[in-house]
Amino acid sequence: DAKTTQPPSMDCAEGRAANLPCNHSTISGNEYVYWYRQIHSQGPQYIIHGLKNNETNEMASLIITEDRKSSTLILPHATLRDTAVYYCIVRVEFGDNFNKFYFGSGTKLNVKP
Amino acid sequence: NAGVTQTPKFQVLKTGQSMTLQCAQDMNHEYMSWYRQDPGMGLRLIHYSVGAGITDQGEVPNGYNVSRSTTEDFPLRLLSAAPSQTSVYFCASSRPQGYNSPLHFGNGTRLTVT
Repeated sequence: DAKTTQPPSMDCAEGRAANLPCNHSTISGNEYVYWYRQIHSQGPQYIIHGLKNNETNEMASLIITEDRKSSTLILPHATLRDTAVYYCIVRVEFGDNFNKFYFGSGTKLNVKP
Repeated sequence: NAGVTQTPKFQVLKTGQSMTLQCAQDMNHEYMSWYRQDPGMGLRLIHYSVGAGITDQGEVPNGYNVSRSTTEDFPLRLLSAAPSQTSVYFCASSRPQGYNSPLHFGNGTRLTVT
């Protein structure tokens, strides 16, 4: 029960925007959406997170639909170094006073020259 | 600032052996957790801690023990290794949940049990 659904793989041309979709149709009102990426089986690297509003930082933009059932991560100018597995994660309460991050299988983004 | 440091990077064990995976963070994070990652699957939560002296079980705790005697360290012990524990193990830390802070991960320990 990963709580998110992502396509297994996507291709993107170098220099173009990469738009990675994610469905989280069962998300609850207080659950945040986080995006991470993992390069060559290193530790997952934080990219961005949001609750309702669109968010932007130096790495990416996060667009969340009004009903919060889906979101899109945008890498504005993909480079070869952005080739990685991208995880869309919902942070949920687990036990007392702890938030668990549900990692699914992610999307393998292949950036091609 | 080292972040989250895991040792060793690689380990091979024989069935029945025990060992401890080390995890240390220098960000003064209260929350720490252990995940395992198996091929084609997402990360699954093994154990977690919300502060020194406090630990609790995650989704897949069987065969693992943890302790949290200091804020900085959160070791994971394999009591009697089994081939099913062959995996990549990640330690992560964060500020308490009220801060909506991201998880910071170490670079993992790749464990093979033969």
